[in-house]
Amino acid sequence: AQKITQTQPGMFVQEKEAVTLDCTYDTSDQSYGLFWYKQPSSGEMIFLIYQGSYDEQNATEGRYSLNFQKARKSANLVISASQLGDSAMYFCAMREAVYGGATNKLIFGTGTLLAVQP
Amino acid sequence: DTEVTQTPKHLVMGMTNKKSLKCEQHMGHRAMYWYKQKAKKPPELMFVYSYEKLSINESVPSRFSPECPNSSLLNLHLHALQPEDSALYLCASSQDINRPFNYGYTFGSGTRLTVV
Repeated sequence: AQKITQTQPGMFVQEKEAVTLDCTYDTSDQSYGLFWYKQPSSGEMIFLIYQGSYDEQNATEGRYSLNFQKARKSANLVISASQLGDSAMYFCAMREAVYGGATNKLIFGTGTLLAVQP
Repeated sequence: DTEVTQTPKHLVMGMTNKKSLKCEQHMGHRAMYWYKQKAKKPPELMFVYSYEKLSINESVPSRFSPECPNSSLLNLHLHALQPEDSALYLCASSQDINRPFNYGYTFGSGTRLTVV
């Protein structure tokens, strides 16, 4: 079953405007972590922002903020004041425990390709 | 030093070749991971190493053989690959995996593998 859903395969935004990338997730665990990564065409996965399941405040990191709605199981990424360098693939990911073992896994959604237009 | 270094950056190999991918980190992370990423798809977990021991194998074919010689180094040995194994192979590391969950993964820039 799909655990992380990103329903926007591609998004366009004008430079200097804000954009919201959607992410919903599915888990029965109470304790989990949600991440957003940026992947430029070069391939490297760049960590952007983290939200813990018990965090009461929405996470913010510079121009990035996470709109966390736990009851709806959504963790949307908001990028303010878009820049041309923000053009990339964006992945939502969830880290949850693996039952029966002292480990955990980071699993990814299908990604959203963001294009920032001048 | 907050990097995960992967070598080589690009690799072309024949189906009868044996090659290895290398991943190195010096952040003191005790968990290391291999992911496979096909074009326009999300990364898929292959292997997890915790304290140099294999913790998770996501039913990966035996033509992929991971190795963790020490806490800083992770290898992926490749043998008799198929053209469909062509992909971006990403290595990642993280803090002690028993800690939840606010420790993200640090990724390398990947090895682009082409099997001909």
